[in-house]
Amino acid sequence: SQQGEEDPQALSIQEGENATMNCSYKTSINNLQWYRQNSGRGLVHLILIRSNEREKHSGRLRVTLDTSKKSSSLLITASRAADTASYFCATAPQAGTALIFGKGTTLSVSS
Amino acid sequence: EAQVTQNPRYLITVTGKKLTVTCSQNMNHEYMSWYRQDPGLGLRQIYYSMNVEVTDKGDVPEGYKVSRKEKRNFPLILESPSPNQTSLYFCASSTRLGGTDTQYFGPGTRLTVL
Repeated sequence: SQQGEEDPQALSIQEGENATMNCSYKTSINNLQWYRQNSGRGLVHLILIRSNEREKHSGRLRVTLDTSKKSSSLLITASRAADTASYFCATAPQAGTALIFGKGTTLSVSS
Repeated sequence: EAQVTQNPRYLITVTGKKLTVTCSQNMNHEYMSWYRQDPGLGLRQIYYSMNVEVTDKGDVPEGYKVSRKEKRNFPLILESPSPNQTSLYFCASSTRLGGTDTQYFGPGTRLTVL
């Protein structure tokens, strides 16, 4: 029951540049969340945006949500080598009881 | 420190030998779940539990069992492991608001079934 699809699948940038990842989903949602996973490790929650919110910030992260287009974006500003990781969006369907994860975007930041 | 712990972290076993992966959380969360992560397939939910003695199937429950006798523990049981269960497994928990709230993940268990 794949719901979220991230785009691009992989992204390579230089330190200091901005990284933008997109997520599209199919059904109505309660909220959408972004997680980060360093290689082979557990996922770490980054930010949660509710369906009635359009934009949210946390440090160098900015998340937008467009429910009319069923899409979200994650912007990481002034990226660092330590941002190298996989990023997943997860949607909480209105009628569901569990998060549904996308397949992720792999971000590589080189110094 | 608030955390979800899993044991073992790495396990190599043979087909058919029963095994249990333990999961424990110290945040008094009611909701717990198990995921498996495979290349190209992302995270898929195996089982989840809304509270003690309340469990239900996720997207890929075949070949797995779970139990929730205590609030803090949610073990994953493979009665007769097969090679297609070779994967990276994650336990996660969240508040009483349910699985749609922020999930806290364990560090993962890498399982290889020969």
